[in-house]
Amino acid sequence: EVQLVESGGGLVQPEGSLRLSCAASGFSFSSYAMSWVRQAPGKGLEWVSGIGGGGGSTYYADSVKGRFTISRDNSKNTLHLQMNSLRAEDTAVYHCARAVSGWFDFDFWGQGTLVTVSS
Amino acid sequence: DIQMTQSPSSLSASVGDRVTITCRASQGIRNDLGWYQQKPGKAPKRLIYAASSLQSGVPSRFSGSGSGTEFTLTISSLQPEDFATYYCLQDNSYPPTFGQGTKVEIK
Repeated sequence: EVQLVESGGGLVQPEGSLRLSCAASGFSFSSYAMSWVRQAPGKGLEWVSGIGGGGGSTYYADSVKGRFTISRDNSKNTLHLQMNSLRAEDTAVYHCARAVSGWFDFDFWGQGTLVTVSS
Repeated sequence: DIQMTQSPSSLSASVGDRVTITCRASQGIRNDLGWYQQKPGKAPKRLIYAASSLQSGVPSRFSGSGSGTEFTLTISSLQPEDFATYYCLQDNSYPPTFGQGTKVEIK
């Protein structure tokens, strides 16, 4: 059974940092591109960042470029999102998602972890 | 970026109704479109991929159609468990973009 379980969310002050993790199981993790997608409270879905199966290629939304870094540890079946210089508008539930073909064809998502940026 | 315009933003319907949701892309995206269902506090669930292919395990009352710039999700006979928010997603080009969502509520 495919499982994606996010962790690492919490309350952080503006300009602070947080590192999210997504533990994957039930599939060959290194064979799939992965992404982070977020959802602000009461709002729609916004793609944040993606990474190839080998970890060598990464993509970012303009809204987080230069502040967030996506990475993966295929030996531990884990995806990460390092978030620096956090802003109030980064407050959201962050989901990890698996791309079944190509980069952004998401077939399976985790339940998400809540990040709140507030003083 | 490709803009996805989804309509309506919300609708009220009764059990057994036929429901149609539309997404329009700001430029052609072939059939690189998926439809997702999301219930409060839950992960999005893919219903349709490649515009018209039914995800394994999804009931056949869900169907998708369209290509290029116009896409439709149809629920042929709305069931109580279908009350949720639905999103389209284009995966034709970077960055992937979502429609604004359609909330399907009980009439």
